[in-house]
Amino acid sequence: AQTVTQSQPEMSVQEAETVTLSCTYDTSESDYYLFWYKQPPSRQMILVIRQEAYKQQNATENRFSVNFQKAAKSFSLKISDSQLGDAAMYFCAYRSPSAGNTPLVFGKGTRLSVIA
Amino acid sequence: DAGVIQSPRHEVTEMGQEVTLRCKPISGHNSLFWYRQTMMRGLELLIYFNNNVPIDDSGMPEDRFSAKMPNASFSTLKIQPSEPRDSAVYFCASSNHIIGNTIYFGEGSWLTVV
Repeated sequence: AQTVTQSQPEMSVQEAETVTLSCTYDTSESDYYLFWYKQPPSRQMILVIRQEAYKQQNATENRFSVNFQKAAKSFSLKISDSQLGDAAMYFCAYRSPSAGNTPLVFGKGTRLSVIA
Repeated sequence: DAGVIQSPRHEVTEMGQEVTLRCKPISGHNSLFWYRQTMMRGLELLIYFNNNVPIDDSGMPEDRFSAKMPNASFSTLKIQPSEPRDSAVYFCASSNHIIGNTIYFGEGSWLTVV
């Protein structure tokens, strides 16, 4: 079974600075999908960014980008120009490519605080 | 388009009572997932359906929990009888048939059992 590990329970960043959240995963599959979700205090789960393992190019979405290292099974999230609204729990998640839809496997999450 | 719709948003109930949580997936999505979130255990998959058929219910904690999906636009998660340790946020999520595509979450149902 696949597992996802987020080794940083909490992180903080100064407003306008850059922060990187770590995520590693364990799998024997060669093709898969990785996600970062944001969960603000409202508890809504919001997709931040998505990466297909077969793509070497790192995904980017505005101020959010990933560093995907397939050999190392690492998938970190970089937030640039941090804003107060970025304060939230961030979850890294893995999805298998098996035929038929499969669920997400989540890490334990990293709580990000943004300091004004 | 409307997202995943869950009801109720909040529920407080007494131990022993039956609780029914409801979910309407995004139109056209053929997979539906029920997750539970607690401080202690994080996000846990309870059960998921493909094309209204339950595929994996190994995450359902015990026989007190049951889930149904009678049609493509509706699912329920029932707890009977409820216990204080069932207090959690329950998320419903859905995705379409494209392999690896994004799973979209509802806003969650906050359950408190006293």
